[in-house]
Amino acid sequence: QSALTQPASVSGSPGQSITISCTGTSSDVGTYNLVSWYQQHPGKAPKLMIYEGSKRPSGVSNRFSGSKSGNTASLTISGLQAEDEADYYCCSYAGSSTLVFGGGTKLTVL
Amino acid sequence: QVQLVQSGAEVKKPGASVRVSCKASGYTFTTYGVSWVRQAPGQGLEWMGWISPDNGNTNYAQNLQGRVTMTTDTSTTTAYMELRSLRSDDTAVYYCARVAVQGIFDRLLYFDYWGQGTLVTVSS
Repeated sequence: QSALTQPASVSGSPGQSITISCTGTSSDVGTYNLVSWYQQHPGKAPKLMIYEGSKRPSGVSNRFSGSKSGNTASLTISGLQAEDEADYYCCSYAGSSTLVFGGGTKLTVL
Repeated sequence: QVQLVQSGAEVKKPGASVRVSCKASGYTFTTYGVSWVRQAPGQGLEWMGWISPDNGNTNYAQNLQGRVTMTTDTSTTTAYMELRSLRSDDTAVYYCARVAVQGIFDRLLYFDYWGQGTLVTVSS
């Protein structure tokens, strides 16, 4: 199983919007609308931000949204805030009870 | 509230085995899966596998097949992950996570709760 492809880093200024892409294949992202996104601050456990492509868990800000087109899923953060600075990981179901993560993206809020 | 509490840090020599525990509380243990995810220093997340506490079904990442075993004890609502023949590149923080599972074919959906992580250091 190859890892999903994410940009290593993205950045934006407070108040702006950014989008993080997550590219897989027809064996994972392209076939299943089961991409989840996780936020991880340094030294902390990951936190679920988006599941099943575009659903937000209770308590997650509506500034976070998810979408998918073909083999690529995306996480958009609008109204960027300082506390959004973190690493973000996508994860997709890949069939046969397996999951695959992306390599992670470091978000810097300028 | 849902909690996953993991065992403490371990230091092991190459070739040894390690077992990490994950005590679950605040929900019905058998209604969700338990997955294990590791993160090497400065690196990304790696899915290791999962187990169903309900029926014991497991599936492991291909690169760990033969070295990893995941088990659960429903009487104590605890999950375990054992990794054998340790190498230096197994040095990582190991997380357990509750995984939502759908359908009779065990479609794994997402991780909604995570343990605090257990650092395993492999060094001679």
